[in-house]
Amino acid sequence: AQTVTQSQPEMSVQEAETVTLSCTYDTSESDYYLFWYKQPPSRQMILVIRQEAYKQQNATENRFSVNFQKAAKSFSLKISDSQLGDAAMYFCAYKRTTNFGNEKLTFGTGTRLTIIP
Amino acid sequence: DTEVTQTPKHLVMGMTNKKSLKCEQHMGHRAMYWYKQKAKKPPELMFVYSYEKLSINESVPSRFSPECPNSSLLNLHLHALQPEDSALYLCASRGLLGANVLTFGAGSRLTVL
Repeated sequence: AQTVTQSQPEMSVQEAETVTLSCTYDTSESDYYLFWYKQPPSRQMILVIRQEAYKQQNATENRFSVNFQKAAKSFSLKISDSQLGDAAMYFCAYKRTTNFGNEKLTFGTGTRLTIIP
Repeated sequence: DTEVTQTPKHLVMGMTNKKSLKCEQHMGHRAMYWYKQKAKKPPELMFVYSYEKLSINESVPSRFSPECPNSSLLNLHLHALQPEDSALYLCASRGLLGANVLTFGAGSRLTVL
């Protein structure tokens, strides 16, 4: 079974600074997808960034970027120029490639990010 | 419309009540999901519907009964729940296109007394 591990239950960062959230995963598959979702107090899970395992290039979305190390099974999220609105629980998630509608998104335990004004 | 709408936002029910949670999307997504999230825990998959047919049931107790009456609507019928079933219930959907991304609703907070 696939597992996703986030070893940092809580992180804090000064506003405008950079922070990196860690994620490791375990899988025997070669083709899969990795995601970072954020869940603010409003409870809605919001996609931050995604990475296809077959792509060597690290994904980037504005202030958010990942460091994807496939051999090490590591998928960290870097948030640059942190903003107060970035405060949330961040979940790393894994999904293996399979038939449409027969798929399971497995989440890590989450990292609560606090932004210090 | 790019949203998944869940109702009600909050629900309090007794152990003998029958209630339902509703999830609706109008994005043409043909896969819909129910997740359960306990406090300070990650979401856990309960059910997946694909083209209105149940494709995954993660060994969920029968007191939870999902239903997908059409491609836009997903229900979760609740009956004889236990206090430990109190949680946030999240609905999500995915289209064939859209880069394998699930779109989540804001959830229904359930409290069982």
